[in-house]
Amino acid sequence: EAGVTQFPSHSVIEKGQTVTLRCDPISGHDNLYWYRRVMGKEIKFLLHFVKESKQDESGMPNNRFLAERTGGTYSTLKVQPAELEDSGVYFCASSQGPVVDTQYFGPGTRLTVL
Amino acid sequence: AQKVTQAQTEISVVEKEDVTLDCVYETRDTTYYLFWYKQPPSGELVFLIRRNSFDEQNEISGRYSWNFQKSTSSFNFTITASQVVDSAVYFCALGGGYNKLIFGAGTRLAVHP
Repeated sequence: EAGVTQFPSHSVIEKGQTVTLRCDPISGHDNLYWYRRVMGKEIKFLLHFVKESKQDESGMPNNRFLAERTGGTYSTLKVQPAELEDSGVYFCASSQGPVVDTQYFGPGTRLTVL
Repeated sequence: AQKVTQAQTEISVVEKEDVTLDCVYETRDTTYYLFWYKQPPSGELVFLIRRNSFDEQNEISGRYSWNFQKSTSSFNFTITASQVVDSAVYFCALGGGYNKLIFGAGTRLAVHP
């Protein structure tokens, strides 16, 4: 069974540009999460999808970030326009159950904004 | 507020030494879950263990063992006879009713031959 996959693995962009990150969860997992780790700090929650609905987006830093999960399958996280402080590693995770269940993480996308 | 503290930023040991990674958590929830993840140099987060707040039994898996103590709000992780392949960043995390995980800052473990 394939794990959580993320694309791209690395992205280097200029300040002000747009970047879109993609996450494919484990097949059959209704719950999908985005997290990020900035400058070696804690991994912080961004948002949680249940199927195609946003269950919790309390961690989204500002309106430059837009997450979608069309059809309840893969998800995209768009940053527009990117700022220097957006640099970090963006992790996606998925889980099966409706209550707190084990979240399986993808390899992350390392975003560098110059 | 929920919080996870991993006070050890970096630990360096020589192969075959035992090492314990500390994790202290704060939560007001009566039902919660604790996790450990490993992040090897390749970057992915690898799930190691999940414990719920009702189960304080210690767990052993090969060279890995976990000590969960509600009285001290701790969930410590011990690696016995460490190996170079254990070198990684280890994260402790707390999960509550809304499914999101609260992570500690991580402990970087370096095992030297």
